Amino acid sequence: GQQLNQSPQSMFIQEGEDVSMNCTSSSIFNTWLWYKQEPGEGPVLLIALYKAGELTSNGRLTAQFGITRKDSFLNISASIPSDVGIYFCAGPNAGGTSYGKLTFGQGTILTVHP
Amino acid sequence: DAGVIQSPRHEVTEMGQEVTLRCKPISGHDYLFWYRQTMMRGLELLIYFNNNVPIDDSGMPEDRFSAKMPNASFSTLKIQPSEPRDSAVYFCASSFPGAHQHFGDGTRLSIL
Repeated sequence: GQQLNQSPQSMFIQEGEDVSMNCTSSSIFNTWLWYKQEPGEGPVLLIALYKAGELTSNGRLTAQFGITRKDSFLNISASIPSDVGIYFCAGPNAGGTSYGKLTFGQGTILTVHP
Repeated sequence: DAGVIQSPRHEVTEMGQEVTLRCKPISGHDYLFWYRQTMMRGLELLIYFNNNVPIDDSGMPEDRFSAKMPNASFSTLKIQPSEPRDSAVYFCASSFPGAHQHFGDGTRLSIL
């Protein structure tokens, strides 16, 4: 089946630093979703991308839908302690849209030191 | 607006006991999903429903797991008999057609 590979698996950074993480797949995705999961809570959608090459921002977060449709990137600028959590990329399974089955990456664990 | 509501938030029980997890989706959402999250396997989709009908249960690990959705506002995931390897966080999510999924805060299940 489809797999999403996220990197890095974990990051330890200082407050104020910028963060970059990515997600790659061996197959094409038509939608890319980025979720954040904070401790003790469920994942929450941060950004949704629907078109190859699309660049979308949400506050300090910026995500891009790769031109090949096989990858996506998430950047966080000027990190703050509340950015701590697990960041997941996700996309609908082949033949589906974003309301069907989603494939999730294994997550990037972000730790921010004050 | 109320989000997806799951209960209980935590469950600790002994091996062999029946476990029932509950979910109330966001009102009006047509799709409901059950996931399991572990350190080893990450987020796994177990089963999902559309308009209360199970569409894909290929992720259900084995016959000890069953899920029902008797109406649009309620779903259960049952494990009988439970085993220690079932220990995980179980999430319910719901969505409108064509929209992203909204997750509940999960049930942390520990089987001793």
